[in-house]
Amino acid sequence: QSVLTQPPSVSGAPGQRVTISCTGSSPSVGTTYDVHWYQQLPGTAPKLLIYGNYNRPSGVPDRFSGSKSGTSASLAISGLQAEDEADYYCQSFDSSRSIWVFGGGTKLTVL
Amino acid sequence: EVQLVESGGGLVQPGGSLRLSCVASGFTFSSYAMNWVRQAPGKGLEWVSVISGSADSTYYADSVKGRFTISRDNSKNTLYLQMNSLRAEDTAVYYCAKRTSGWYFDLWGRGTLVTVSS
Repeated sequence: QSVLTQPPSVSGAPGQRVTISCTGSSPSVGTTYDVHWYQQLPGTAPKLLIYGNYNRPSGVPDRFSGSKSGTSASLAISGLQAEDEADYYCQSFDSSRSIWVFGGGTKLTVL
Repeated sequence: EVQLVESGGGLVQPGGSLRLSCVASGFTFSSYAMNWVRQAPGKGLEWVSVISGSADSTYYADSVKGRFTISRDNSKNTLYLQMNSLRAEDTAVYYCAKRTSGWYFDLWGRGTLVTVSS
């Protein structure tokens, strides 16, 4: 069981806005350390999407945004496009065990 | 080109061993901690292990501690994962990933598939 909890799936129509939540199960996860997000398109390796809670790497469209409050973080995707259909993972660091942790992943379906 | 290329995966029997490699290019390999992350078929991502840039510290997930050993050869820009006493539950695609100072992974390889089965 992941120490970061994500909904298994979300969906939205093209052009709509969806959000994916990521909640830490203990204060040692996601409070002191930032939350990061990865996009994994079908059959490919994960790709960094958001780092440091809300920063976008070069090349990531501004339709993707991140936020964090306490031990909870969110990824928002606005103006949904068919190519956004993918699995999304949040990630942080568990300082009590000195390990990196991922959420269970959320499958985004564009209707 | 900045990239990571894994190799060494394959089919191995339970209890067997395998060594994975990851060759890095396009960045100063020795300056970065490197990780292995795995993904079982149809499942999510699981962090496996990390090694510091100078190879003086390593950490492991509980699920592989005592069975897997991470190492690196900075002269060859190569990361390794020695996997012993393999179990069916170790079946996964294994990715190497470059870690930044911000505790996240900014570069991933394409992965190599390890299948543990008799």
